[in-house]
Amino acid sequence: EAGVTQFPSHSVIEKGQTVTLRCDPISGHDNLYWYRRVMGKEIKFLLHFVKESKQDESGMPNNRFLAERTGGTYSTLKVQPAELEDSGVYFCASSPDGTSGYNEQFFGPGTRLTVL
Amino acid sequence: TQLLEQSPQFLSIQEGENLTVYCNSSSVFSSLQWYRQEPGEGPVLLVTVVTGGEVKKLKRLTFQFGDARKDSSLHITAAQPGDTGLYLCAGSNNNNDMRFGAGTRLTVKP
Repeated sequence: EAGVTQFPSHSVIEKGQTVTLRCDPISGHDNLYWYRRVMGKEIKFLLHFVKESKQDESGMPNNRFLAERTGGTYSTLKVQPAELEDSGVYFCASSPDGTSGYNEQFFGPGTRLTVL
Repeated sequence: TQLLEQSPQFLSIQEGENLTVYCNSSSVFSSLQWYRQEPGEGPVLLVTVVTGGEVKKLKRLTFQFGDARKDSSLHITAAQPGDTGLYLCAGSNNNNDMRFGAGTRLTVKP
């Protein structure tokens, strides 16, 4: 079974440009999460989709970030316009529905974003 | 303010030694996960603990969840160079987002 995949693995852009990150969750997983780790800090939650709906987007830093999950399959995270402080590693994770009673999330390899 | 405090931040030991890393919080979690992350990869789930006082073993790794479900520990017996990596704890409630600690970076020297 394929794991969570993310594209691209690396992206280097200039301040003011737009970047779109993609995440393909494990097939059949309803829950999809985006996280970010900036240099020297812990991994921080950005938002949570249940199927195509945003369940919780309290971690999104500002309105330059837009996440979508049309059709409830893959998700995109767009940063427009990118700023220097957006540099970091963006992780996507997915988990099955909540019937197990607890949350086990499976992570993708991340996209390393560098804004110059 | 960091919700989950991990200690130590860095740990370098010789092959064959034992070690314990800690994950502490003032908050109660319904479940706590331990992940291991290697450079260029995402975190890989090692274990989930859900019951206060629970102990789980995974080969040479022993995980314990505190009675109050606020803290956890990871003990490695007879560490091997292959255990080198970043160990992360993460707590969650009711299937919502997880809160991560900053991690313990372990180096096991041959």
